[in-house]
Order: sequence, then C-alpha cells, then structure tokens
Amino acid sequence: EIVLTQSPGTLSLSPGERATLSCRASQSVTSNYLAWYQQKPGQAPRLLVYGASSRATGIPDRFSGDGSGTDFTLTINRLEPEDFAVYYCQQYGSSPRTFGQGTRVEIK
Amino acid sequence: EVQLVQSGAEVKKPGESLKISCKASGYSFTSYWIGWVRQMPGKGLEWMGIIYPADSDTRYSPSFQGQVTISADKSITTAYLQWSSLKASDSAMYYCARPRWPGTSDAFDIWGQGTMVTVSS
Repeated sequence: EIVLTQSPGTLSLSPGERATLSCRASQSVTSNYLAWYQQKPGQAPRLLVYGASSRATGIPDRFSGDGSGTDFTLTINRLEPEDFAVYYCQQYGSSPRTFGQGTRVEIK
Repeated sequence: EVQLVQSGAEVKKPGESLKISCKASGYSFTSYWIGWVRQMPGKGLEWMGIIYPADSDTRYSPSFQGQVTISADKSITTAYLQWSSLKASDSAMYYCARPRWPGTSDAFDIWGQGTMVTVSS
C-alpha cells in the first residue's frame, strides 16, 4: 500500500499570499496518478487536480499541481478567502487507492 | 445533471446491521465505478472500496475487507454500503463518489453529500 505523507500539517497564511502544499509517496505513483481535493467544513471533498498537474473542470487557475514519482506539490497563488480549507492528496495508480492525512490552510 | 444522492443520517446500536445507499442519476450508471470513502469525526479521508455496477466487480482496501460489503443494483442505479454488525468505531461520515472517466478507477470528481452514521449504546 502506498502511504502518502502531506506537509505541513497546518499552514497559516494571509489572503493574497501563496500556499505551497507537499505530498510525498512511500513509493513511486504509477503514471503520476495523483489527485488533490479541497474540503470545507460540512462539505464533501471537491476535486481540484488530477494526473498530478491537470486542473479539474471549473477550478481557478490560481490552483496548480506539479511533481512526479514520489514528490508532488499543490500551489495556490494569491489566496482568496474561500481557499481556506483542508487539502488532501490521493493516489489512484495502485490498489488500494490511498489518501494523505491532509493539510489545513488557515487564515493567519 | 450528474449527481449522487445518499440516504439520510443513521443512529444505530452496536451489533446492529445497516445498509446505506447512494442513488446515481444523470449518467450511465453501469459505465462508471462507484467508490466509498470514510471520514471519521475530525479526521481525514479513507478509501474503502469501489464497485463496477455493470458486473459487480468489487475491490476493497485491506483495511475494510471483511468489515463492510459494497454492492450495487443497476436496475435502480443505486450503490450500497453495508455492515452486518456495527461497532462504535464505525461512527463516521461516509461518502460515495464517482471517478472522472468511465470504466476507470480514476480520481473522484462527483461526490455524494455524505451519510453520517452514529453507533452508540
């Protein structure tokens, strides 16, 4: 089973700043099948990025994903108030699919 | 509109059985896998398993194998998650979700609203 480790656990930033979230896999993610989700309190997760770097439909271009192999990054440029949430990475290249433990982006 | 609508919140006692549902609409139900994800209170997301409704091919995470049963009824475009004997540790929010592409276990782009299960004596 691939273990995904996200860092940091919490990121305290101000609106307008850039957020950089990391997701490290215990082994190489097949075909870079790595997704990022955003979850706000009381809501279901929302897909942001798939295939490590492709934005999902309707996702603003301030969200960008990068990386390959075992190291992946989600960058949020110019944080908007609605971006403060918890973010999860997920690999879907190997069974079982697994999620990281999440990074909380909070208002500083 | 593509959507997954889940059954309502449940409160059960330890040892009871439970089956929660996920009703799909707006797309070809038998063409897409449907997965289940657990979220315990205040915790992260856990991938439980996935089913292909066309032939009921089902895959489980080892963490959930033998603990739950995933099924689907294509005649009513509904997927299910069931327990035969609930434990307090099964208390959580459960989401169903559909992958982006048909026939693949891709990233989930369509999610149900979640079903809260509370198990308490």
